[in-house]
Amino acid sequence: EPEVTQTPSHQVTQMGQEVILRCVPISNHLYFYWYRQILGQKVEFLVSFYNNEISEKSEIFDDQFSVERPDGSNFTLKIRSTKLEDSAMYFCASGRTSYEQYFGPGTRLTVT
Amino acid sequence: RKEVEQDPGPFNVPEGATVAFNCTYSNSASQSFFWYRQDCRKEPKLLMSVYSSGNEDGRFTAQLNRASQYISLLIRDSKLSDSATYLCVVNMNTDKLIFGTGTRLQVFP
Repeated sequence: EPEVTQTPSHQVTQMGQEVILRCVPISNHLYFYWYRQILGQKVEFLVSFYNNEISEKSEIFDDQFSVERPDGSNFTLKIRSTKLEDSAMYFCASGRTSYEQYFGPGTRLTVT
Repeated sequence: RKEVEQDPGPFNVPEGATVAFNCTYSNSASQSFFWYRQDCRKEPKLLMSVYSSGNEDGRFTAQLNRASQYISLLIRDSKLSDSATYLCVVNMNTDKLIFGTGTRLQVFP
């Protein structure tokens, strides 16, 4: 069964550094998403991406965040200057439609 | 008021028991409803969509009451492997899923 994959599984970075989180969505999916989950809290929507552009973003997704689909398979989330409060689990998701979303295993980001 | 509200639990039940979780949502414009399952430090996994007529998938039954803005999940014949956090999720015909904080279930032998 095809799955969403994410790399790395764990990323440690210093405050102020840039990080890029990578995702390979399921191959025939058209909708792509990033969510985050701070430890002990609920899963929160960050951004959705369809037809090579952002279709929706949350208040969390400010100018420090960007997404890209550089080729036909990868989908990336970049945080330009990380803050301590960016420490969280970041989940990529994809779907054939916008209604059913399948999540990757996540990247745990630790900002020190 | 929270967009999606769930009892955090934990619900501790013996194997073979029937357990029910409830969830309320605040926005009547919500269009699609789901239950996801999340194991500790893992990704949410889609358990089932919830339809107005109610739907069943094996031991799992989901119900939706639009008038009361209420969703439920019933698990029959609980297994040890059902131990997880169950996430109530709604969608308002936009791209984003809105998650509840989850209800933790612990099934013991």
